Amino acid sequence: QSALTQPASVSGSPGQSVTISCTGISSVDSGYNYDYVSWYQKYPGKAPKLLVFDVNRRPPGISDRFSASKSGNTASLTVSGLQAEDEAEYYCMSYSVSTTSAVFGGGTKLTVL
Amino acid sequence: EVQLVESGGALVQPGGSLRLSCAVSGLSVSGSSMTWARQAPGKGLEWVSDMYTVGSTHYADSVKGRFVISRDETNNTVYLQMSSLRADDTAVYYCARHRLNYGMDVWGQGTTVTVSS
Repeated sequence: QSALTQPASVSGSPGQSVTISCTGISSVDSGYNYDYVSWYQKYPGKAPKLLVFDVNRRPPGISDRFSASKSGNTASLTVSGLQAEDEAEYYCMSYSVSTTSAVFGGGTKLTVL
Repeated sequence: EVQLVESGGALVQPGGSLRLSCAVSGLSVSGSSMTWARQAPGKGLEWVSDMYTVGSTHYADSVKGRFVISRDETNNTVYLQMSSLRADDTAVYYCARHRLNYGMDVWGQGTTVTVSS
């Protein structure tokens, strides 16, 4: 799979919304060639945490302040109502059914001002 | 409660070998696809390897031919046998359940591998 590109950093003030992009996602061209996109939150020294899977679905317990979408070859994660605890690194990941491989984006550092 | 506990990380010389373990409780390693991922110092996450429920194995190009993923159903443990280690294999290694289209939803706390002379 090709590398996924994320901005190195984004920032916002408490209460605001920020969007993190992830480009390089393969577009659907058949029912078999499909990339599943997920998003992860990671604090330094801690394990990653799944925020969103299958493009825009949240696991139980994940705040609805986290939402995601995909358009063409770009996936996006939006964090609404920013809180201090949202300051972390965020990673997109694409899993390819056709190549049976996964690739992470380079990660985006979210700073809450 | 599902728990994954990695172990086996150590300081190893370039060219050496190491086996990482991921002890799993709360789910069956044979009934789940399991993955290893890593994070090198100051770098982002990198997918390393998957083992599917059917037993097929898959690897990132960076480790293909050097790393082997396996599982022990009796001990409910997943392993990552690493050989011909290089300095750029230095990282925190995480195991996780990889539900493929549902993402990597349960993670261990990680184990540190340092490759240095």
